[in-house]
Amino acid sequence: EAGVAQSPRYKIIEKRQSVAFWCNPISGHATLYWYQQILGQGPKLLIQFQNNGVVDDSQLPKDRFSAERLKGVDSTLKIQPAKLEDSAVYLCASSLNSGGGYEQYFGPGTRLTVT
Amino acid sequence: DAKTTQPTSMDCAEGRAANLPCNHSTISGNEYVYWYRQIHSQGPQYIIHGLKNNETNEMASLIITEDRKSSTLILPHATLRDTAVYYCISQGAQKLVFGQGTRLTINP
Repeated sequence: EAGVAQSPRYKIIEKRQSVAFWCNPISGHATLYWYQQILGQGPKLLIQFQNNGVVDDSQLPKDRFSAERLKGVDSTLKIQPAKLEDSAVYLCASSLNSGGGYEQYFGPGTRLTVT
Repeated sequence: DAKTTQPTSMDCAEGRAANLPCNHSTISGNEYVYWYRQIHSQGPQYIIHGLKNNETNEMASLIITEDRKSSTLILPHATLRDTAVYYCISQGAQKLVFGQGTRLTINP
C-alpha cells in the first residue's frame, strides 16, 4: 500500500513570496490533515478535511494560509505572502475516517525555509 | 482535548525493554490514548492506540492503568533504530494535539 506522498521535499523562498505544497493521501482515506512542525516542537494541526469539506481550521492563519481539497483526494496548502516565522516542516497526514480510533499516516513532509 | 505529560528524555540499552511513561490525568471517557514516534527528518509514525484495555501489536505493547490516568508504552527488545521522539497523545472527538514528546535514545 502506497503511503502519503508530498512534494516538494524542500523549498527555499524569500519573505513575501508565495509557495504551495501538494499532498496525495492514502487511497480511500476520507480525512486529510495539514500540520506545521517548527524545529524542536511537536506538529501543530493547521487544517483538517473530511472528504472535501473543512472540519477544523481554527489554527490556520487565514490571512496568509489557504488550503483546498478538491474532489476529496489531493490537497494543496498555500502560503502568500510568506514570513520568516513560517520556516518549518509542513506535514500532511491521512486517516480512514475522523474521530477516535482511527490512526493517522504521515507523509515525509516539506521543509520550508524562508529567508 | 486532554493534555499529556511525558519525560523529556530517556535512555535504554540495546536489546532491553524500553518503558515510556505518560500521564493523562484529565482524559475523558471517550478519548483514546495514541502513541506515535518520529525518527529524525521523517514524518511521525503511528505505533499503537487503546481506549481501556491493554493492547499489543508487532511494534509495541500499551499498558493503560485501570483509572486511565496514565499509560506505558513498551518496546520489548529495543534496537538502535528505535531511537526517536515518542509522542503520547489523548485524542478527543477530532484532532491530535502533540506535546513535546520523549526523546528516547537506544545505546549500543
